[in-house]
Amino acid sequence: QLQLQESGPGVVNPSETLSLICTVSGGSISGSHYYWGWIRQPPGKGLEWIGTVYNSVNTYYSPSLKTRLTISVDMSKNQFSLNLTSVTAADTAVYYCARVDGSSWYGWLDPWGPGTLVTVSS
Amino acid sequence: ETVLTQSPATLSLSPGERATLSCRASQTVSRYLAWYQQKPGQAPRLLIYDASHRATGVPDRFSGSGSGTDFTLTISSLEPEDFGVYYCQQRSRWPPFGGGTRVEIK
Repeated sequence: QLQLQESGPGVVNPSETLSLICTVSGGSISGSHYYWGWIRQPPGKGLEWIGTVYNSVNTYYSPSLKTRLTISVDMSKNQFSLNLTSVTAADTAVYYCARVDGSSWYGWLDPWGPGTLVTVSS
Repeated sequence: ETVLTQSPATLSLSPGERATLSCRASQTVSRYLAWYQQKPGQAPRLLIYDASHRATGVPDRFSGSGSGTDFTLTISSLEPEDFGVYYCQQRSRWPPFGGGTRVEIK
């Protein structure tokens, strides 16, 4: 059974870089037709798609975040990661990673990790 | 840009009642629409994909219908564990998610 788990700091200082890792277990991140995605949810608000990665070199980023965003894959560790630079309080959210079906850069998400709350604050 | 509008924002119902949730797209998305359920403190869970296909393990009281711009998620008889927030998502054009419908206990 495929499982995903987010990890990273719970607090990030304003203007610094938010870095998260998603570790995939129960299946391989490489050699499949699936993509891998990051989604976030500000407290009390709805879902926002951040970006998607496929096979280390192919990515799709949210138009509103693309100047600050990098998503990459480490196949040797069965992980993918998110780096978001120059964060502000508006980036405070629960961050989720998920497997994306290969029909689209923002295809169906299943399964999801449990999520990790990142607060931007000094 | 394709906007997904979910209605109502909040649905207040009692266990055993039928729930009907709507998701309307500003442009056609064919049948490329999914529904997710989110309970407090949990990640969303895929319920329905391609408008009407139930995901693995989803009870058959959940059903999806629609195509083009108008979609419906129906819960035939609400169980206590069904209360939460439901999101629709399309995969044709950015942005993917609707704003959500909260199903609360009346």
